[in-house]
This record gives sequence, structure tokens and C-alpha cells, in this order.
Amino acid sequence: KAGVTQTPRYLIKTRGQQVTLSCSPISGHRSVSWYQQTPGQGLQFLFEYFSETQRNKGNFPGRFSGRQFSNSRSEMNVSTLELGDSALYLCASSLVAGSEKLFFGSGTQLSVL
Amino acid sequence: GQQVMQIPQYQHVQEGEDFTTYCNSSTTLSNIQWYKQRPGGHPVFLIQLVKSGEVKKQKRLTFQFGEAKKNSSLHITATQTTDVGTYFCAGRFTSGTYKYIFGTGTRLKVLA
Repeated sequence: KAGVTQTPRYLIKTRGQQVTLSCSPISGHRSVSWYQQTPGQGLQFLFEYFSETQRNKGNFPGRFSGRQFSNSRSEMNVSTLELGDSALYLCASSLVAGSEKLFFGSGTQLSVL
Repeated sequence: GQQVMQIPQYQHVQEGEDFTTYCNSSTTLSNIQWYKQRPGGHPVFLIQLVKSGEVKKQKRLTFQFGEAKKNSSLHITATQTTDVGTYFCAGRFTSGTYKYIFGTGTRLKVLA
């Protein structure tokens, strides 16, 4: 069974640009969560999707958005990039949400110059 | 707000010594999970605790959930170099949300 796949693995952007990150969950998993990981802040929750609906959102500005498709694949978009957006963005999937263990992808390392 | 505090932030131990990391929440948790992230890797699920006062063991690892379901600990007996990494707790609050709030993690370094 393939794991959680995130693309691209690395990304370099400049301030003001926008970026889209992709996440393919484990087959059969319907819940996808996104986290931002930085050295000083640990893992910060961005949002969680289940059956194409965003059910939870973290405390991030509106520049951060996401969506989930009918096949459970998810995308995350960050518009008007800032230097502080440089981080590892991790996607996690689970069968259902709330009490299932999370399976993380390898992440997308975003660098904003 | 909902927060999960984790201490210590760093821990260096000699191989063979024990190690403990602690998580504390300001409010009651529905359940708590523990993850391990190796350097350069992604978090990998270790265990989930649900019941008040629950204790679970995995070989040299012992996990506890407090009676009030507000704190948890992970204890490693006789650390090995393979235990190196960052250990995170992740709490789900009882407000009916579907998100896990992660602690800041404890980075463990084991000196051979």
C-alpha cells in the first residue's frame, strides 16, 4: 500500500508569488490534514478536510487555503508569499478524522527568498 | 486557546540512560497521540492513549495518560542510538473538533 505522497518535495519561490502544494493520501483514507513545521514552532495545524469539506481551520491568515477533491487528494495554496512562510509543509491522512492515527507524507520544503 | 506544552525542548543522554518527555494541556483532552520524527524524516505514529490513567508499553517505551486527561508522558528505558529524534505529543480536545494540536516536541540526542 503506497504511503502519503506529497509533491513537490522542494520548492523555491520569491516574495509575492503564490504556490500550490499537492497531497495524495493513502488509498481509502478520507481525511487529510495539513501542518506547517518550522524549527522554533513545531507543527502548526493549518486545516483538515473530510469528504471535500473543510471541517477545521487553524490560526493562519487567509492567504493559506486548501481544498480536497472527490478522490480525497488535497491541495494547499499560499498566495502572496512572505519570507516567514518558509517551512516544511506536511500533509497527513487518516481513515476517518478525530481518533485515528495520522500518516504523514515526507513534506514539501518551501523556501521563500 | 487550546495549547499543548511539551518539556523539555532538548535532552542529551548517554546511551543506556533513561529519558522522559512530558506533555501538559490547559484543558481536558479526548485522547493523546505520540509521534517520533527522525532527523530529516516525517512524524511517525507511535501510540494513542484514550482512557484516564492509561499506561501502555512498547518494548522500552512506556506511555502514560494522566488521571485528569490533561497530561501525558513518554519514558524510554535504557536509550539506544536508534532512539534519536524528536518526540511529539498531539492532543485532541473534547470540543468536538477533528484536529490534533501538537506539542513543540522534545529533541533527543543519544551519546554513544
